[in-house]
Amino acid sequence: ETGVTQTPRHLVMGMTNKKSLKCEQHLGHNAMYWYKQSAKKPLELMFVYNFKEQTENNSVPSRFSPECPNSSHLFLHLHTLQPEDSALYLCASSHFDRGITGELFFGEGSRLTVL
Amino acid sequence: AQSVTQLDSQVPVFEEAPVELRCNYSSSVSVYLFWYVQYPNQGLQLLLKYLSGSTLVKGINGFEAEFNKSQTSFHLRKPSVHISDTAEYFCAVSESGGYQKVTFGIGTKLQVIP
Repeated sequence: ETGVTQTPRHLVMGMTNKKSLKCEQHLGHNAMYWYKQSAKKPLELMFVYNFKEQTENNSVPSRFSPECPNSSHLFLHLHTLQPEDSALYLCASSHFDRGITGELFFGEGSRLTVL
Repeated sequence: AQSVTQLDSQVPVFEEAPVELRCNYSSSVSVYLFWYVQYPNQGLQLLLKYLSGSTLVKGINGFEAEFNKSQTSFHLRKPSVHISDTAEYFCAVSESGGYQKVTFGIGTKLQVIP
């Protein structure tokens, strides 16, 4: 496989469920990101990992919990979500070298619906 | 803090007609500028980017954009659109010298009419 792969593509969950989104990149990048895309809003940066270390947490509620076990994999663990959390969650990766980020490469997204 | 304004939420245009999608940005420092495209049910893909040098930037699929520092704009243009250009287009900005944090605009939906 090439590029950035996200699974699952679609997820429906209740407010009391626990689920996880997975992202895998095959591009040799060392930085990975989670973005939230909601209708009529700009993309919201949620988390950034450089070399497996979290370097950005954009005031995201604790019901979203990221995990980056290595530079190729990124997870977003979800628990006790709210209906307003329904959105498209996009994973991206890039090179990161001496404080400079390269082009972002996005996955196709995971469409989350919270009932 | 940096911000991006995309003035048009939707732009309908007939096939083979020219199109311009507008983008204005705000930043207190020098910036890098990007246009991304999102086709239905897909992630975002880089169309073009301005880092430095020539203010006219050419990208994929016949698109180009011009950086205008005095007007803080980075409008996207194509002289003749195709049905396959129907997509959502996002302008983005980051501060030069450390563009880890990329700020996106709200997006412009381009609808090409046969």
